Amino acid sequence: RKEVEQDPGPFNVPEGATVAFNCTYSNSASQSFFWYRQDCRKEPKLLMSVYSSGNEDGRFTAQLNRASQYISLLIRDSKLSDSATYLCVVKGGSYIPTFGRGTSLIVHP
Amino acid sequence: EAGVAQSPRYKIIEKRQSVAFWCNPISGHATLYWYQQILGQGPKLLIQFQNNGVVDDSQLPKDRFSAERLKGVDSTLKIQPAKLEDSAVYLCASSLDLLRGNTIYFGEGSWLTVV
Repeated sequence: RKEVEQDPGPFNVPEGATVAFNCTYSNSASQSFFWYRQDCRKEPKLLMSVYSSGNEDGRFTAQLNRASQYISLLIRDSKLSDSATYLCVVKGGSYIPTFGRGTSLIVHP
Repeated sequence: EAGVAQSPRYKIIEKRQSVAFWCNPISGHATLYWYQQILGQGPKLLIQFQNNGVVDDSQLPKDRFSAERLKGVDSTLKIQPAKLEDSAVYLCASSLDLLRGNTIYFGEGSWLTVV
């Protein structure tokens, strides 16, 4: 089993839709969780950290479920500019960050 | 504030040749990472430095890849000899440190094509 798993997609949604991605991780001792965004042929950039109680940043909501070992990202009111690859990142007790393969989102008019 | 600088941006080499990539992290960042990203995949950590010490290099193919960060600032990643499957983007990244530096900042990457 891979350390961090994501459905590669693509998720193809219309503007204004709500879309959710999940990411599962195998190491129960993992301590820090993040979502990064990567545009085509660009470097990854931090979208948001994921906190145990869940957190929201505008149209984006991140959740952590430690019991089932997954994190989620919810995007409301999708915009064309949200089209990108969303990378899940998990950091264990050794402080080594592991990236998932990413989930591709395509938002169409 | 200057970001993570990498060079060269693009490189095409023949298999069995060697190549070197350079990275200068954000000033004051103690932790430096080299990731390999093959098209359609997520970034794979090759090596992680804390200052000039290696934190993890378990996925670095040591028979052909080497990396150093001698003075704890900039770093070089070398591949010798290159194979076709080394074609990828090599991303250098840095963070403040292991404990506090949750945000990882990436450079634009060095795109390698091995023919």
